[in-house]
Amino acid sequence: AQRVTQPEKLLSVFKGAPVELKCNYSYSGSPELFWYVQYSRQRLQLLLRHISRESIKGFTADLNKGETSFHLKKPFAQEEDSAMYYCAPPNNAGNMLTFGGGTRLMVKP
Amino acid sequence: SQTIHQWPATLVQPVGSPLSLECTVEGTSNPNLYWYRQAAGRGLQLLFYSVGIGQISSEVPQNLSASRPQDRQFILSSKKLLLSDSGFYLCAWSAPRTGGPNSPLHFGNGTRLTVT
Repeated sequence: AQRVTQPEKLLSVFKGAPVELKCNYSYSGSPELFWYVQYSRQRLQLLLRHISRESIKGFTADLNKGETSFHLKKPFAQEEDSAMYYCAPPNNAGNMLTFGGGTRLMVKP
Repeated sequence: SQTIHQWPATLVQPVGSPLSLECTVEGTSNPNLYWYRQAAGRGLQLLFYSVGIGQISSEVPQNLSASRPQDRQFILSSKKLLLSDSGFYLCAWSAPRTGGPNSPLHFGNGTRLTVT
């Protein structure tokens, strides 16, 4: 079965420290993965997608097929990065797929 | 631009009462529509999805049902609520897949349901 897992429920770092939110997938074929973010009192929203290879708010995510990972990284965390982050499989309506369990990032001053 | 509306924002209902949560999308045609439940510490669970009017898919047996009476309207219902139905429900839409890359999901603000 296709699955996405986020092994960490909570990640706490100090402001200015590097951040890596882990995401692993088990897929057959070429995966198309996304990262979503939910800030306090805001709706869940797309952060970035791997096919675009872009950096959003300083975050990047590289698909590593050898390690079957799609970790989200930022070199210097900011307090405003504190939020809930979800790694997600493609929303192919042909598959009933569930998001990863999510990781809560807390950036301390 | 596309927008998604979901209501009510919060709801407190007694056990055994019916439920109807509504979601509408504007600014797009024939969207894929989704209902998710977000449980504390358990991530997001996909409950239902729909690729068109009257087309509903679910693989999660539960006390809930969904309907899509119009192209951009998606309704989550229950005839008799259970305590275990309490949670945070999210509606989302995405552009229909046309053979290209999968389009991302766009979420509503959610409904906090408390069954007492």
